[in-house]
Amino acid sequence: KQEVTQIPAALSVPEGENLVLNCSFTDSAIYNLQWFRQDPGKGLTSLLLIQSSQREQTSGRLNASLDKSSGRSTLYIAASQPGDSATYLCAVIPLMTTSGTYKYIFGTGTRLKVLA
Amino acid sequence: DVKVTQSSRYLVKRTGEKVFLECVQDMDHENMFWYRQDPGLGLRLIYFSYDVKMKEKGDIPEGYSVSREKKERFSLILESASTNQTSMYLCASSLELAGGDYEQYFGPGTRLTVT
Repeated sequence: KQEVTQIPAALSVPEGENLVLNCSFTDSAIYNLQWFRQDPGKGLTSLLLIQSSQREQTSGRLNASLDKSSGRSTLYIAASQPGDSATYLCAVIPLMTTSGTYKYIFGTGTRLKVLA
Repeated sequence: DVKVTQSSRYLVKRTGEKVFLECVQDMDHENMFWYRQDPGLGLRLIYFSYDVKMKEKGDIPEGYSVSREKKERFSLILESASTNQTSMYLCASSLELAGGDYEQYFGPGTRLTVT
């Protein structure tokens, strides 16, 4: 059974620091991986999607990499800002149901606080 | 931009009431999902739908049912609400990309309290 782990569960850093969030999954036979951001009491906002043919994606100060063979993805945030404070979740798509629809498996998230 | 909307941000219901949570997406996505999110338990899939009138149980379907009469609308129904269904409910839709990958989009969530 696929399991997705995010460590650490919480992280507090001073403004301006570069940081790395980790996402590990137990079954390397995944299709694609998506990183999300969630602000308190809100829905999830998609940050980066790494498609099956890709190894990394970049958007502004964010860079996500994927190594399927080792079961790891990292989200790199450059020059962190207080506005980056949120919970970050990763999700993998490893399973195909009988309908052919992919089911997402989510990690439990890393709660990030960037101090001004 | 893809937009997924949910009918209510906050909802308070009494035990035993029938509750409808509605979700609408505006991008003609085939797949739609209902999750609940609880502290320490993460996101758990309740039901999903891969086409109009088609549905499949997720990991925790007990106490819930769904309806998808139109492609853009996916409803979650709590037949008889109970206090253990107090939670944040998140709707999502997903787009199939070229190459068979999927990208998922979420609504803003509904915080349901059952008293």
